Amino acid sequence: GQQLNQNPQSMFIQEGEDVSMNCTSSSIFNTWLWYKQDPGEGPVLLIALYKAGELTSNGRLTAQFGITRKDSFLNISASIPSDVGIYFCAGANTGNQFYFGTGTSLTVIP
Amino acid sequence: NAGVMQNPRHLVRRRGQEARLRCSPMKGHSHVYWYRQLPEEGLKFMVYLQKENIIDESGMPKERFSAEFPKEGPSILRIQQVVRGDSAAYFCASSPGWVSYNEQFFGPGTRLTVL
Repeated sequence: GQQLNQNPQSMFIQEGEDVSMNCTSSSIFNTWLWYKQDPGEGPVLLIALYKAGELTSNGRLTAQFGITRKDSFLNISASIPSDVGIYFCAGANTGNQFYFGTGTSLTVIP
Repeated sequence: NAGVMQNPRHLVRRRGQEARLRCSPMKGHSHVYWYRQLPEEGLKFMVYLQKENIIDESGMPKERFSAEFPKEGPSILRIQQVVRGDSAAYFCASSPGWVSYNEQFFGPGTRLTVL
């Protein structure tokens, strides 16, 4: 199946710092999604990207669809304690099957 | 507008029993997906269904696992003769199904524990 690698696997940052994470694929995707998962809960959709080069923001979150269509990036500005969680990327080609990354675990130290 | 609903939230079964997991998609969504998540791991696709049809079951184990999405009622993921390795969180997601708008929205999951 498709392999999606997320980097870094985990991050420990101070409150107020900016965060950057990325997701790379061995294949081209037409859609990229970013999700956040809190412990014991289902993933919550943060941002959806549909076009190569697209840059989309959702509050303090900004995500980009890589030009090569094999990668995507998520940035969080001015982190706060409630940003703690696991962030997953997901990519899809035609059709509706999404492939999920391995996740980036974020810890924000107050 | 209710989101994706799953029940039960927690399910405990003994080895050899059957597990039935239910998923009601968001209102207006006709596509349902099931994923499995092991502790400290990402989500693994299992099956993709539309009403009364299985579209893609490439992620489903060949034996003991089955899924359906009937014309009326929730989607059901059924695991027969459960084994300890089936213990995981099972998530359901739904989407409207339009090719240009296929964002998936997840339910809270069912955590299956096999004793």
